[in-house]
Amino acid sequence: DSGVTQTPKHLITATGQRVTLRCSPRSGDLSVYWYQQSLDQGLQFLIQYYNGEERAKGNILERFSAQQFPDLHSELNLSSLELGDSALYFCASSVDVTTYNEQFFGPGTRLTVL
Amino acid sequence: GENVEQHPSTLSVQEGDSAVIKCTYSDSASNYFPWYKQELGKGPQLIIDIRSNVGEKKDQRIAVTLNKTAKHFSLHITETQPEDSAVYFCAARISSGSARQLTFGSGTQLTVLP
Repeated sequence: DSGVTQTPKHLITATGQRVTLRCSPRSGDLSVYWYQQSLDQGLQFLIQYYNGEERAKGNILERFSAQQFPDLHSELNLSSLELGDSALYFCASSVDVTTYNEQFFGPGTRLTVL
Repeated sequence: GENVEQHPSTLSVQEGDSAVIKCTYSDSASNYFPWYKQELGKGPQLIIDIRSNVGEKKDQRIAVTLNKTAKHFSLHITETQPEDSAVYFCAARISSGSARQLTFGSGTQLTVLP
């Protein structure tokens, strides 16, 4: 158990809908990262927050947005869902943003868009 | 940006044999190289990492080597056991700039045959 929690574990929805994925980092970690894992794309970095502020953006679609709240939990919002958004979404956390900081991954949320 | 290539995509070995997974990276500014193990239904878990000022690092049956000149690094698992069966990901992180996100390889499915 990494100490990172993600809810829900599974999510099934229809195209065009909007969903929210939630992540609670390990106690004491200030940085949260979101990744998308699909069969043909591997692990793709989406976005990073540090202490409530956006720190870096990766391959995140405009239909997707995220935020980190004062209690440091984070939410990833996915809207106008398409079939291709079906994937595993992982959240990871680290103490801060230094180069050598280990990222601890949560168990993931499996999103299925029908 | 950084690009990480990982080979092979699948690897089967007999129990007790060694397994080697290789990765190459493109950006010479990368200075941190973690390896993650992902078991079925779980998030990736860090198993070993290496910094650019070190050529080799060992932890029991696992070792990682880094060749900065050639920009490649490898994971070596000796005396493999069935519980080593999983997907292994290499990653690289660039040291410069405000972002510290990881760029992952595409993964290697390791199967240890009893």
